[in-house]
Amino acid sequence: GEDVEQSLFLSVREGDSSVINCTYTDSSSTYLYWYKQEPGAGLQLLTYIFSNMDMKQDQRLTVLLNKKDKHLSLRIADTQTGDSAIYFCAEMDSGGYQKVTFGTGTKLQVIP
Amino acid sequence: EPEVTQTPSHQVTQMGQEVILRCVPISNHLYFYWYRQILGQKVEFLVSFYNNEISEKSEIFDDQFSVERPDGSNFTLKIRSTKLEDSAMYFCASSPGTGGSGNTIYFGEGSWLTVV
Repeated sequence: GEDVEQSLFLSVREGDSSVINCTYTDSSSTYLYWYKQEPGAGLQLLTYIFSNMDMKQDQRLTVLLNKKDKHLSLRIADTQTGDSAIYFCAEMDSGGYQKVTFGTGTKLQVIP
Repeated sequence: EPEVTQTPSHQVTQMGQEVILRCVPISNHLYFYWYRQILGQKVEFLVSFYNNEISEKSEIFDDQFSVERPDGSNFTLKIRSTKLEDSAMYFCASSPGTGGSGNTIYFGEGSWLTVV
């Protein structure tokens, strides 16, 4: 089945850029997503990228997709303390019913 | 902005009791889902629902679980006889299924279930 992997933890200083990485195994993934989860809260959709794109930029967020290596990254520019959260990478398979498989989540800690 | 709403936000139940978690998906969305997240673990797919029937379910979604769309707005998850290991955050989600953002899945805030 599909598998999505992320590093568990990332610590950055406020104002620096954060890069969160993700690898996936399903070569037929159609969409890839980044969700943010703050403590005790739900899953907030941050951004997504279609599998035929290489890059997508949305304000402070830049998503890079290397489909050949099945590698996805999320770059957060000028990271703020409010960005501290768990970030989940997720991929939608091509099975037709839009099931999404989540990664393990990366906990981002922003140091003031 | 439209959102997926879930009730209750937190429920404590005794082992063996039945629980119903409720969700109101975003209006006009066609696909509905339940996911769960055991504390500190991955978000796991339970079931997807389309056109008034289950379209896919995971091995977690056994006979103890059922879903229903009793009217045009609610989408419920029922756990017939809860076990301790059912303690988790349960997320409802919905997706338009069509249009430019058809494959975007929006999640609710979650219902935290504690089985004691």
